[in-house]
Amino acid sequence: SQTIHQWPATLVQPVGSPLSLECTVEGTSNPNLYWYRQAAGRGLQLLFYSVGIGQISSEVPQNLSASRPQDRQFILSSKKLLLSDSGFYLCAWRITSGLINNEQFFGPGTRLTVL
Amino acid sequence: AQSVSQHNHHVILSEAASLELGCNYSYGGTVNLFWYVQYPGQHLQLLLKYFSGDPLVKGIKGFEAEFIKSKFSFNLRKPSVQWSDTAEYFCAVNARTGGFKTIFGAGTRLFVKA
Repeated sequence: SQTIHQWPATLVQPVGSPLSLECTVEGTSNPNLYWYRQAAGRGLQLLFYSVGIGQISSEVPQNLSASRPQDRQFILSSKKLLLSDSGFYLCAWRITSGLINNEQFFGPGTRLTVL
Repeated sequence: AQSVSQHNHHVILSEAASLELGCNYSYGGTVNLFWYVQYPGQHLQLLLKYFSGDPLVKGIKGFEAEFIKSKFSFNLRKPSVQWSDTAEYFCAVNARTGGFKTIFGAGTRLFVKA
């Protein structure tokens, strides 16, 4: 069966420090991968998605970047964190083949607090 | 651009009351529609989905949703809620063809009083 991992679970970082959040998926190949930020009252904001290794689409201009160095690894990064980067970050994956099973499966999330 | 609007941000109901959460989307093509639920302390998970066929779809835990194409709506319903339905509910949409992006609504927090 497929599983999705995110780490760390929680993170407290000072303003101006770098960031690296990691997401890995097991039990599937060539998934679509997603990074979302969940904020109270604003739902899930799509940040990045990837349809393959090295292929990243950015949805919202911001202080963050994403990379997909391996098929089942998706990394969210920042060179210098801002206070506004605080939030709950969710990684998700989706089967790419066919049209039937294209719901998304979400990881446990990372709670990031920038001080 | 696709967008999803959920009408209620907070809903408070007593047990056994009926529930209807509104969802409207904006997109000109054929779409797939979803409702996800996030119970306190748990992962976001799929509640139900619509791809094609019968516009009334049934999901887990007695939930159902009706796709009304002419109204661009996909409202979630449950005849009688339970305390355990307390959660946040998200409506989502993606394009049927090449739908790599899934767009979510802002969510509705449901609190069911015992």
